Amino acid sequence: GIQVEQSPPDLILQEGANSTLRCNFSDSVNNLQWFHQNPWGQLINLFYIPSGTKQNGRLSATTVATERYSLLYISSSQTTDSGVYFCAVEGVRKTSYDKVIFGPGTSLSVIP
Amino acid sequence: AAGVIQSPRHLIKEKRETATLKCYPIPRHDTVYWYQQGPGQDPQFLISFYEKMQSDKGSIPDRFSAQQFSDYHSELNMSSLELGDSALYFCASSSRGRLPDNEQFFGPGTRLTVL
Repeated sequence: GIQVEQSPPDLILQEGANSTLRCNFSDSVNNLQWFHQNPWGQLINLFYIPSGTKQNGRLSATTVATERYSLLYISSSQTTDSGVYFCAVEGVRKTSYDKVIFGPGTSLSVIP
Repeated sequence: AAGVIQSPRHLIKEKRETATLKCYPIPRHDTVYWYQQGPGQDPQFLISFYEKMQSDKGSIPDRFSAQQFSDYHSELNMSSLELGDSALYFCASSSRGRLPDNEQFFGPGTRLTVL
C-alpha cells in the first residue's frame, strides 16, 4: 500500500521563527490534507491540497503531485501552533486498507 | 458552521464489555469515516459509509461493527472490549457525492478507556 513519510519527526522552535514540514508519499494520490492535532487531541483541518499552493494567514502549503511531496510552511510561529501536524493521503490505486493513510506526524513545540 | 458531533466524549469500560460510539456528520454530508488513534500513534482508518452503505473497510477488528442510519448518523459498536482498544476514536464526514473534492472534517473524538 501507499507509504507516507513526514519530516522532521520532532521540531522545537522559538516563538516567531519560521519552519517547513515535509510529507512524502510513495504513489499517486487523489486527496491530500494537512491537519493540526492540538494538545487536547482535536484534529483541525489546515489544508485540502492534492496539488498546487494555498495560503491561510501564517500558514501555507504546496503539493507537487508529480514529485509526490507536500510542504507545510509555518511563519512567525506562536505557542498555540504547538502540537502534532499530520499529512493524510488517499491513494489513486487503493485497496480497502489504503482508503486514507496518515503519516506519522511532526511533533512541534513552540517555546516563548 | 456546524461541525461533526461525537458522543460520548469520554467512555470508561471494563474488559469484555460492549461500547457504542455515535457520530453525527455535518449536515448534507453523505460519507462518514471512523478512525482509531492509539497513544502516540497516527489515526488508523477503520471503516467508511457512503449513502448508508459500507464503502471501504480498513483495519477494523471483527469484534467491531458499524452502520450508517437513514438520517446519516453513524454508530460504531465494539464488543468484547480489550485493553488494547483504549484509544481516541474519531469520526469524520465529507460530501463525496456532491462536491468534486473529498475533504474530510473530523469530530472532537471519543476517548475510550478499557480497564
